[in-house]
Amino acid sequence: SQTIHQWPATLVQPVGSPLSLECTVEGTSNPNLYWYRQAAGRGLQLLFYSVGIGQISSEVPQNLSASRPQDRQFILSSKKLLLSDSGFYLCAWKAQGATMNTEAFFGQGTRLTVV
Amino acid sequence: AQKVTQAQTEISVVEKEDVTLDCVYETRDTTYYLFWYKQPPSGELVFLIRRNSFDEQNEISGRYSWNFQKSTSSFNFTITASQVVDSAVYFCALLSGNTGKLIFGQGTTLQVKP
Repeated sequence: SQTIHQWPATLVQPVGSPLSLECTVEGTSNPNLYWYRQAAGRGLQLLFYSVGIGQISSEVPQNLSASRPQDRQFILSSKKLLLSDSGFYLCAWKAQGATMNTEAFFGQGTRLTVV
Repeated sequence: AQKVTQAQTEISVVEKEDVTLDCVYETRDTTYYLFWYKQPPSGELVFLIRRNSFDEQNEISGRYSWNFQKSTSSFNFTITASQVVDSAVYFCALLSGNTGKLIFGQGTTLQVKP
């Protein structure tokens, strides 16, 4: 069966510090991968998505970047965090191709507080 | 361009009332997929239903039902005889069959009071 791992669950970081959030998927190959951010009381904002290794689509110009160094690994990074980067970050995966008619599966999320 | 609009930010009902959550989408794709997710206070996203653009059949699952109408680009969600446990944020989402881009609406917060 497929599983998605996202860590850490919570993170408190000072302004100006770097960030690295990792997401890995098991039990599937060549998935679509997604990073979302949810500010307090707000909706799910798509940050990045990837349909293959090294292929990253950025949706919102901002202080973050994403990388997909391996097929089932998706990393969200920042060189210098801002207060506005605080929020709930969710990673998701979804099957491609013939199995596209399935739902997206989400990690448990990382609650990031920048202080 | 893709867009999902959930115009209702918050809805409050009394238990046992029926409630409909609206979702309107925009896309130029001929192949696309629509979803509803529930987010309880714990934060995880719980999948409820998916529909592809070629399947306009409405669906009923227990107290939940969904009405997909391509003519109005809507995919509305109705909860019959609401319960306190239905209180959550509900998200409608759209997946492009061409690009794989998956976007969500802003969500509707449903509060069911006893």
